[in-house]
Amino acid sequence: NAGVMQNPRHLVRRRGQEARLRCSPMKGHSHVYWYRQLPEEGLKFMVYLQKENIIDESGMPKERFSAEFPKEGPSILRIQQVVRGDSAAYFCASSHMTGVNTEAFFGQGTRLTVV
Amino acid sequence: QQQVKQSPQSLIVQKGGISIINCAYENTAFDYFPWYQQFPGKGPALLIAIRPDVSEKKEGRFTISFNKSAKQFSLHIMDSQPGDSATYFCAASMTGAGSYQLTFGKGTKLSVIP
Repeated sequence: NAGVMQNPRHLVRRRGQEARLRCSPMKGHSHVYWYRQLPEEGLKFMVYLQKENIIDESGMPKERFSAEFPKEGPSILRIQQVVRGDSAAYFCASSHMTGVNTEAFFGQGTRLTVV
Repeated sequence: QQQVKQSPQSLIVQKGGISIINCAYENTAFDYFPWYQQFPGKGPALLIAIRPDVSEKKEGRFTISFNKSAKQFSLHIMDSQPGDSATYFCAASMTGAGSYQLTFGKGTKLSVIP
């Protein structure tokens, strides 16, 4: 029973490079959420996607950040022209349905370091 | 963004004692209140969750107490064990409004000492 799979686990990028973070939801889950966690902080919502659709991106920075969840393949969080302030742990969560059963299962995260 | 305020920031409890973590929220549209446990280097894992139609929910050593009028909820860990040492996050979402994003508290780092 594979859980939410995120890769890479650790990613180092120089300022100005692009970071691509991947998330494969649990089998049968079609709802994906991305969160960012700064050191000693709680998780902050970024974006909620269903297959091929962005449902809520109210937590996404307006520039440099984008997310997709294609019909086939993992969800991708893309950060262009990274800056030091982008250094954080990025977590993906997935759920089977919305409504009553809203349990979201989290992956182990990708720790992005911008040098 | 609506806030969820969590306290204390850190907590040290003797083995066998009761750990209590408190959260308060502002938005009365929140209708789902989960607690997550996170170990270093790992993702958060759901511990227990409650909806506002009940005042208490118990699962094993973990209990959520919910006070709708005060807009507060708390996690009680009975018979705390060293293996419970982790960071705990409360969260809330507005599922009834079609918003499933979780708003998290800042976390409580629990240390259970032998």
